[in-house]
Amino acid sequence: DTGVSQNPRHKITKRGQNVTFRCDPISEHNRLYWYRQTLGQGPEFLTYFQNEAQLEKSRLLSDRFSAERPKGSFSTLEIQRTEQGDSAMYLCASSLSAYEQYFGPGTRLTVT
Amino acid sequence: GIQVEQSPPDLILQEGANSTLRCNFSDSVNNLQWFHQNPWGQLINLFYIPSGTKQNGRLSATTVATERYSLLYISSSQTTDSGVYFCAVDLIGGNKLVFGAGTILRVKS
Repeated sequence: DTGVSQNPRHKITKRGQNVTFRCDPISEHNRLYWYRQTLGQGPEFLTYFQNEAQLEKSRLLSDRFSAERPKGSFSTLEIQRTEQGDSAMYLCASSLSAYEQYFGPGTRLTVT
Repeated sequence: GIQVEQSPPDLILQEGANSTLRCNFSDSVNNLQWFHQNPWGQLINLFYIPSGTKQNGRLSATTVATERYSLLYISSSQTTDSGVYFCAVDLIGGNKLVFGAGTILRVKS
């Protein structure tokens, strides 16, 4: 059991650049979630996939954000034209159907 | 949307002391989880407990779903217990965890 993995762990980018993060879920899990956490707050839901289908998106997910899970395994989260307000920890989680969610170590994004 | 309130927001303990953290939620839930977030940001699963009582070593948790609250008990606290404790719930028919604001625990030696 290798757990949920995320890459990169840290990303520093300049405002206006595009960034992409990757999440590899626990292998038998069919659901994959993305959350965002800012300093001093709890994580907030962004979007989730069941297999390869993206079934729900938060209002937090502006049109600069896009997520994919092309083969129902790993997922990518892309942010276009980054803004300083995008600086946060991006967390990925996976679960078997609607049961317990397990989180990865996160990708910390800093936009300068 | 559902409201999740955690108390206390901050707690300082002497090593060896016991503590109780509380989570209140405003609607019926399908799932309730307790997490410990370590200094590197990793969320560590403590309990998956939509109802009932569970124990794991020095930690135990109780969820009373009909009264919409959950309690996390930490006994004989250690400095390694320090960090942020989050409660998170998933509504019946929902597909995402909604987190409380967390309880910051500091255990002093």
